[in-house]
Amino acid sequence: KAGVTQTPRYLIKTRGQQVTLSCSPISGHRSVSWYQQTPGQGLQFLFEYFSETQRNKGNFPGRFSGRQFSNSRSEMNVSTLELGDSALYLCASSPGTGDYGYTFGSGTRLTVV
Amino acid sequence: AQTVTQSQPEMSVQEAETVTLSCTYDTSESDYYLFWYKQPPSRQMILVIRQEAYKQQNATENRFSVNFQKAAKSFSLKISDSQLGDAAMYFCAYRSATRGNTPLVFGKGTRLSVIA
Repeated sequence: KAGVTQTPRYLIKTRGQQVTLSCSPISGHRSVSWYQQTPGQGLQFLFEYFSETQRNKGNFPGRFSGRQFSNSRSEMNVSTLELGDSALYLCASSPGTGDYGYTFGSGTRLTVV
Repeated sequence: AQTVTQSQPEMSVQEAETVTLSCTYDTSESDYYLFWYKQPPSRQMILVIRQEAYKQQNATENRFSVNFQKAAKSFSLKISDSQLGDAAMYFCAYRSATRGNTPLVFGKGTRLSVIA
């Protein structure tokens, strides 16, 4: 059974650009969550999608957005990149509620220069 | 808002010895889930153990066990017979069971080193 797949693994972008990260959940999982991980702030919740609908949203500016497709694959987009957006972005999937925990991917390391 | 605190930024343990990682949390809820996740250098967060707050029995998964003290809001992880592969960042996480679909709230993590 394939795990959660995130692409790309590494990304370098310039300030002001935009970026799109991709996440393919475990087959059958309908919930996809995104987290930002930085040394200073730790793991912070960005948003969660379930059946193509945003079910929950963290406290991030509108430059951060996401979507989920009918096959449960999800993308997150960050526009007008800032140096502070440099982080590891982790995607996690669950069958539905997450009561039994989430399965995480290996993340996308984004560096903004 | 719920918060999770891991007071030990770094810990080390000798191979084959036992180590305990601390976690405390703050909540006014009575029903919730607690998790320990492991993040090795590969970066993937791996679920180590899960505890349901309404179950008094401490969860156990092979060499990993927890000491769940609900009244004290404490949830420590004990690793027995430590192995080199246990070296990683360990994160404690909280999830409400009463407020619908809420996300995980993580602590800042504890970096565990295993000495051969």
